[in-house]
Amino acid sequence: KQEVTQIPAALSVPEGENLVLNCSFTDSAIYNLQWFRQDPGKGLTSLLLIQSSQREQTSGRLNASLDKSSGRSTLYIAASQPGDSATYLCAVHNSGNTPLVFGKGTRLSVIA
Amino acid sequence: NAGVTQTPKFQVLKTGQSMTLQCAQDMNHEYMSWYRQDPGMGLRLIHYSVGAGITDQGEVPNGYNVSRSTTEDFPLRLLSAAPSQTSVYFCASSLQQGWTDSPLHFGNGTRLTVT
Repeated sequence: KQEVTQIPAALSVPEGENLVLNCSFTDSAIYNLQWFRQDPGKGLTSLLLIQSSQREQTSGRLNASLDKSSGRSTLYIAASQPGDSATYLCAVHNSGNTPLVFGKGTRLSVIA
Repeated sequence: NAGVTQTPKFQVLKTGQSMTLQCAQDMNHEYMSWYRQDPGMGLRLIHYSVGAGITDQGEVPNGYNVSRSTTEDFPLRLLSAAPSQTSVYFCASSLQQGWTDSPLHFGNGTRLTVT
């Protein structure tokens, strides 16, 4: 059974820092991995999707990498801003007919 | 383009009452799903559907029913509400479950309290 872990559960950084959020998964036979952002009281917003054949995806200040063999993904946020404060979740998709498996998220606070 | 729309946003029920949480999407997505989110438990899948007329159980299906008569709508029914069903419920959809490049789109959630 696929398990997804995100460590740390919470992270606080000063504005302007570059930071890395970690996601690990137990079964490396994945179709894709997705990173989401969740603001308080809101639903999840998809940030990046990395297909199993890809090593990384970039969107603006965000860069997500995937290492299937080691069961790890990282989300790199450059030049963090207070508006980046949110909970970030990763989720993996194991095969065409199985639903996403989510981690519990990392709650990020960027202090001005 | 409204995306995924959930109604109501808030609901309070008494134990034993029934209700339906509505979910609609206007993106012609084949795949739709319901999650509940609880502190410390993360997101847990309740039911999902890979197309009209097809539904399947997720991780925590007990106490909930679903149907998928149209591509656009995927209502979640609580037959007899219990305090353990107090949670935030999210509906999510994607183009097709089997596509490797199909991100999941979420609604803004329904906060349900059962007293």
